[in-house]
Amino acid sequence: EVQLLESGGGLVQPGASLRLSCAASGFTFTNIAMNWVRQAPGKGLEWVSAISGGGLSTYYADSVKGRFTISRDDSRNTLYLQMNSLRAEDTALYYCARRGWSYGDYSWGQGTLVTVSS
Amino acid sequence: AIQMTQSPSSLSASVGDRVSITCRASQAIRNHLGWYQQKPGRAPKLLIFAASSLQSGVPSRFSGSGSGTDFTLTISSLQPEDFATYYCLQDHDYPLTFGPGTKVDIK
Repeated sequence: EVQLLESGGGLVQPGASLRLSCAASGFTFTNIAMNWVRQAPGKGLEWVSAISGGGLSTYYADSVKGRFTISRDDSRNTLYLQMNSLRAEDTALYYCARRGWSYGDYSWGQGTLVTVSS
Repeated sequence: AIQMTQSPSSLSASVGDRVSITCRASQAIRNHLGWYQQKPGRAPKLLIFAASSLQSGVPSRFSGSGSGTDFTLTISSLQPEDFATYYCLQDHDYPLTFGPGTKVDIK
């Protein structure tokens, strides 16, 4: 069974940094593209970033480009999101999502909450 | 970026009703689309992948159709546990984009 467990969220001030982690199990992590998706309170889903299997390619939403960095450690089956220069509008529940074998197919963790406030 | 629109943004329906939600892409995305159900405080749940394939374990009252730019999620007979918000997601190209969501509530 695919399991994704996010951690690292918390309350930070604007301009601060935070690193999120997603521990994966139940599948062969190495070959699988992984994503971060966020959801602001009461709002819809917003894709944030993706990394290819093996980590050679990374992709970012315009809203986070230059501030966030996605990475993975295949030896630890863990996905990361380094978030710098955080803004109030980055406040959201951050989900880790594993791309499945077919288009539109993603498995999700339960999320970790990031709150950016002074 | 590919824009996804969804309609309606909300609907009220009764148990047993047939419900359809549409999603339109700003450019052709073949069948590179999934449908998700989300309940308050829960992670999204995959219902349909590749536009029309039913995810294992999802009741057969859910179905998806469409290709190219126009897609539909249909619930053939709405059940109490189906009251939720539904999103489409395109992964034809980065950035991945979601529809804005359709909230289905009880009439």
